[in-house]
Amino acid sequence: DAKTTQPTSMDCAEGRAANLPCNHSTISGNEYVYWYRQIHSQGPQYIIHGLKNNETNEMASLIITEDRKSSTLILPHATLRDTAVYYCIVRVQGNMLTFGGGTRLMVKP
Amino acid sequence: DSGVTQTPKHLITATGQRVTLRCSPRSGDLSVYWYQQSLDQGLQFLIQYYNGEERAKGNILERFSAQQFPDLHSELNLSSLELGDSALYFCASSRGIMDGYTFGSGTRLTVV
Repeated sequence: DAKTTQPTSMDCAEGRAANLPCNHSTISGNEYVYWYRQIHSQGPQYIIHGLKNNETNEMASLIITEDRKSSTLILPHATLRDTAVYYCIVRVQGNMLTFGGGTRLMVKP
Repeated sequence: DSGVTQTPKHLITATGQRVTLRCSPRSGDLSVYWYQQSLDQGLQFLIQYYNGEERAKGNILERFSAQQFPDLHSELNLSSLELGDSALYFCASSRGIMDGYTFGSGTRLTVV
C-alpha cells in the first residue's frame, strides 16, 4: 500500500472547520483513502473513505484531488470532543490497515 | 459501544508469565485483527483471522500466538512476557476482508 505523509500536529478553534491534509503521491488506481481517528487510548474509529470522488457522511467530508495524490479531511464544526489523532491510510481493499504516525489535532476553546 | 468486546480491560502480570486476551467480534463479522500499540511504536498490526483461518501475519513475535474459534471469537496468547510487551492490545473486526474495521476498546497490559 502507498505511503502517506501527514503533519504531526494541528490546532483548530472550537466551532471552526478543521482541515486535515494528507499526501499520498504514490497512490495507485485501486487504492482507497481511509481516515480513522483515535481519541486518547481508545480504539481507532472509522471516519470515512473514498476512491476518487469526494465523500461526505455525518462525521466529515473527504476531498480527494483530481490526480489523487493528496486529500483533505474536513470536520465542518470542530468540537472539543474531536481532539484526537487522525490517521490517513491508503489501502487496497482486502489488505490490512497499516497505521502511520497520524496528525494530532487539538481543538481549543 | 462499538460491538467489539475485549476482555479484560486491564491486566497486570509479572515478567515470564503467560496471559490470554479475548476478543468477541461484532455480530456477523467474520474477520478479526489484532494490533499492538506501545508508546514508542504506534499501532502495529499483529495478525488477522478470517472465518477461523489465519489470513495475514504482521510483526508478531514467536512468543505470541492467536486463534479464532468456531463461534468467531478470538484469543491472543502472550507468553514469556517481557517488560517491553507492556502495551495496549486492540482487536478489530470486519464483515469481510474488503470492509472497514471496527475496533474494540482494547486491553491494557502492564508487565512488571
